Amino acid sequence: QQQVKQSPQSLIVQKGGFSIINCAYENTAFDYFPWYQQFPGKGPALLIAIRPDVSEKKEGRFTISFNKSAKQFSLHIMDSQPGDSATYFCAATPYNQGGKLIFGQGTELSVKP
Amino acid sequence: ETGVTQTPRHLVMGMTNKKSLKCEQHLGHNAMYWYKQSAKKPLELMFVYSLEERVENNSVPSRFSPECPNSSHLFLHLHTLQPEDSALYLCASSQEYVNTEAFFGQGTRLTVV
Repeated sequence: QQQVKQSPQSLIVQKGGFSIINCAYENTAFDYFPWYQQFPGKGPALLIAIRPDVSEKKEGRFTISFNKSAKQFSLHIMDSQPGDSATYFCAATPYNQGGKLIFGQGTELSVKP
Repeated sequence: ETGVTQTPRHLVMGMTNKKSLKCEQHLGHNAMYWYKQSAKKPLELMFVYSLEERVENNSVPSRFSPECPNSSHLFLHLHTLQPEDSALYLCASSQEYVNTEAFFGQGTRLTVV
């Protein structure tokens, strides 16, 4: 119930390519879904987040798609750049429980020049 | 200094040692968190403090003892650790416990020998 399942575990794309990372959850109490980006030697940093009242949110080259009925959400990265190479974590939480984030396992993205 | 600062960045300790991890946030936030990040596993929430009061303890062994003397500082006291406790320990803060944007420090890489 408390798990967030993330796939794939690793992803290699060419510069300019399109990356998709998928997450699924069980707990219907979750109503806030952030994505975090983590570079080696750094802590995770919030990248983009979505609430379930919208099906899509876009910020620059990053887009979250949300499917409430399927309890799935995904991160899309357009025109992937070598600087996007990092580990990406999806997370979920009931909004009233703040930083009590339930994280997915992480996806290591490598963008080849 | 800005953001969330953790010290030390790296720590090697024996199983009989006692050590402490320190976290300081310069964001004026009221909630602070300890997370554990192990290889190939999702980030795990350990403790939550809101207004210096512990509001969450996720079944963490007693060999980990948190302390929050004020809203800007958070400590994790370690004693009699096991090798499987080796991990990256991340501190985070958020404006309020109900505010979902958590800001992470760079973490302390702990190795138990």
